[in-house]
Amino acid sequence: NAGVTQTPKFQVLKTGQSMTLQCAQDMNHNSMYWYRQDPGMGLRLIYYSASEGTTDKGEVPNGYNVSRLNKREFSLRLESAAPSQTSVYFCASWSRLSTDTQYFGPGTRLTVL
Amino acid sequence: GESVGLHLPTLSVQEGDNSIINCAYSNSASDYFIWYKQESGKGPQFIIDIRSNMDKRQGQRVTVLLNKTVKHLSLQIAATQPGDSAVYFCAENKLGGAQKLVFGQGTRLTINP
Repeated sequence: NAGVTQTPKFQVLKTGQSMTLQCAQDMNHNSMYWYRQDPGMGLRLIYYSASEGTTDKGEVPNGYNVSRLNKREFSLRLESAAPSQTSVYFCASWSRLSTDTQYFGPGTRLTVL
Repeated sequence: GESVGLHLPTLSVQEGDNSIINCAYSNSASDYFIWYKQESGKGPQFIIDIRSNMDKRQGQRVTVLLNKTVKHLSLQIAATQPGDSAVYFCAENKLGGAQKLVFGQGTRLTINP
């Protein structure tokens, strides 16, 4: 039981490049989330997927797109990366049926030059 | 918008002493609160939670207190150990529907030997 996994762990992009951050969970959770964490700050919600087949915007969705590929996987895409998107990205999952708290992955550290 | 904030960004305590980390929340509709611990280079890890129908909840060496009158949350860690050094975040949520957590800024706790 690996919990929540994220790939890659680190990534450096040039302005304008695109990339997809991958997230998978093996806890059979219905809901999945993408957050970003900037230095000295708490996490801010980018997008979430309450259940397979649905996605919704969070607090800071601009510049991002998401895909809930199946129940296990939820990806975050940056179509045209900007320096303001330099951050640490965390994926999380949750199920009301099994837990009241979200479980987080180890994060992806992204630098946009 | 509504936000969760912390009173102190840093806190240093001697090993073996008790520590108290504070959090103020502004959304009176929130009814579920969580404390997370984040070690360097890792994702947030659940410590303890409390629902709004409770004033106090205890775990192993940790206690969370909730004062709904002044919208204040605190985390008490007893007999601190070096492994308690981390950043601590409070988060709030309104139960029901997708769990959309709002995180505070965080407090860095340093345990001095």
